[in-house]
Amino acid sequence: KAGVTQTPRYLIKTRGQQVTLSCSPISGHRSVSWYQQTPGQGLQFLFEYFSETQRNKGNFPGRFSGRQFSNSRSEMNVSTLELGDSALYLCASSPTLTGAGTDTQYFGPGTRLTVL
Amino acid sequence: AQSVTQLGSHVSVSEGALVLLRCNYSSSVPPYLFWYVQYPNQGLQLLLKYTSAATLVKGINGFEAEFKKSETSFHLTKPSAHMSDAAEYFCAVSDSEQYKDTGRRALTFGSGTRLQVQP
Repeated sequence: KAGVTQTPRYLIKTRGQQVTLSCSPISGHRSVSWYQQTPGQGLQFLFEYFSETQRNKGNFPGRFSGRQFSNSRSEMNVSTLELGDSALYLCASSPTLTGAGTDTQYFGPGTRLTVL
Repeated sequence: AQSVTQLGSHVSVSEGALVLLRCNYSSSVPPYLFWYVQYPNQGLQLLLKYTSAATLVKGINGFEAEFKKSETSFHLTKPSAHMSDAAEYFCAVSDSEQYKDTGRRALTFGSGTRLQVQP
């Protein structure tokens, strides 16, 4: 079974621009979560989608948004980019809604976003 | 709210030596606990997880962890380090009580421990 895939792997943007990152979960997985990883703040939870609905949200400003499609693929959008948004953005998929049980989250390789 | 503390941002061991990576959690109820490993330029891979069954959990690549409620700890160990174990390790907690209350739960990660293995 193919793992979680994220595109693009690397991205360079300038301040004020917006960016869209894509995540394809493992086949059959319906939950997709997004995390931001930075040297200073570590790994932080952004949000989780399940059945095209946002089910859980971390403490990030409204510039960070996402959506999930009927095939469970998910996109994350960051508008009005700031220097501090430079990070590795990780997507994780799980068979069910995390918290419904103890399902493992399977992580993709991440998209490294650099904001200049 | 739950939290995770990983003592030691860097740990260096010799090849063949014992690996001990420390993790302490804070939670009002027994949580679900996880250890993930991240190799350079890769995502996170699950090593093992504790879900209130056996307190000693065995994972992949020879790693194991013991849940100690009295110490609120979930330290990761491996009897004999291998060069390929060099990576960053993250302890994470998932709050089962938060889920019961709100229907929500997300992983809270520790700050990570970078393991170096010296030849």
